[in-house]
Parts: sequence; C-alpha cells; structure tokens
Amino acid sequence: DVKVTQSSRYLVKRTGEKVFLECVQDMDHENMFWYRQDPGLGLRLIYFSYDVKMKEKGDIPEGYSVSREKKERFSLILESASTNQTSMYLCASSLTENNQPQHFGDGTRLSIL
Amino acid sequence: AQKITQTQPGMFVQEKEAVTLDCTYDTSDQSYGLFWYKQPSSGEMIFLIYQGSYDEQNATEGRYSLNFQKARKSANLVISASQLGDSAMYFCAMRERRGSTLGRLYFGRGTQLTVWP
Repeated sequence: DVKVTQSSRYLVKRTGEKVFLECVQDMDHENMFWYRQDPGLGLRLIYFSYDVKMKEKGDIPEGYSVSREKKERFSLILESASTNQTSMYLCASSLTENNQPQHFGDGTRLSIL
Repeated sequence: AQKITQTQPGMFVQEKEAVTLDCTYDTSDQSYGLFWYKQPSSGEMIFLIYQGSYDEQNATEGRYSLNFQKARKSANLVISASQLGDSAMYFCAMRERRGSTLGRLYFGRGTQLTVWP
C-alpha cells in the first residue's frame, strides 16, 4: 500500500530555531512536494523535487529550503523559524505521469512560539 | 490569476441526497488533469477521482462522479447518496503538462461539506 510518512504529527518550536520536517515515501516516486495549509487559503506549494538533488521553488519558498539526498526522502527546513510559519505542513509524492495523483502524508502541525 | 476556483466555501446537504461541489479552472494547456481530494477533520488528504483533459467520458468512482465541461472549464464533483462520513473539506486540483512544473498540482481553496441527518 502507498505510504508517505511525516516524522512528526505535532511540533512546537521557538522563534529563530532551525526546524527540520522530514518526509519519507516508500513508493519509488520521482516527485515529492511540500505544502503548507492555512485556513481559507487552501494548499500552497513551498518547494518540490522531481529527482534526487533537484528542487524547484513553488509559490511561497521564502524562509524555507529543502533537501533531497535520497529518492525516498524529502526534507523541509525552516532556516530561522518565525511565528508566521505556524501552519499545517503536508508532504506528498507522485509518479511523473500526468494521470497519477499525489499521495499525502498525515501532515505536521507546526507551532512557532 | 487563480488557476483553480472553488466558489463555495461551505455546503450543506441532507443524508442520502446528492450534492455538487463546483470547480472551475484556468489553463492554456491542451493536456491537463483534474483531481479531487477529500480532507476529513483528522487532516489526511484522500484522493477521490481523476479526469484527464482528453477523456471523453466523465470519470466515476463509486458514489463520486466528475461533471467535466471542457468548454466551460469546469470540473464539478458530484457525490450521490451523501453519508455522514462525507462531511469534510473537498479540494479541486489541476495538473498541467509543462516542462519545469511537471507533476505539480494547483489547488483551490476548498469547500467544507457538512452532511446532516
């Protein structure tokens, strides 16, 4: 069965900390994605990757970076966390073909104090 | 401009009735895909149904069907025989077929569906 695992369901960090959110998929998918979800705004794409060591900026990359050293793992990094980065973060993966859906993890609810 | 528009922030339907959730999209691509996802209060995103731009028939998956009107650029989700467990947020999304953005989805802001007994 398809499985995307995010390392934490809930996370509380302090302003200025460096925060790592980890995502692992076991489906050998080429593409991986990081979104943030805020009420009334839907899902907004932060970064995505279509291959190991490759990354592309999404719509709101400021304040974030990513790392994809292995095909199955895609990490989101908040370089210096700020309170406006308090949000739900969702990781997803997919195959390349146009008709393939993205499969999502359960999400990480991140609070920055 | 938004690529996906969901104009209904909230919808209410009685159990066993059908409901239509609206979605319009904006693209200049000829080849694209449309997806619907369900997000219950627990937070996970569940893929429901897919429609390709070249598919001649409307997609169906059990109680879900997609009313695809290409000329109007609309891809409405129809849920038949609503159940209490259908109460959730529903997102429409589009995948365009372009080089550097291959694979990314554009999401709408969602419609919160409430099914009442």
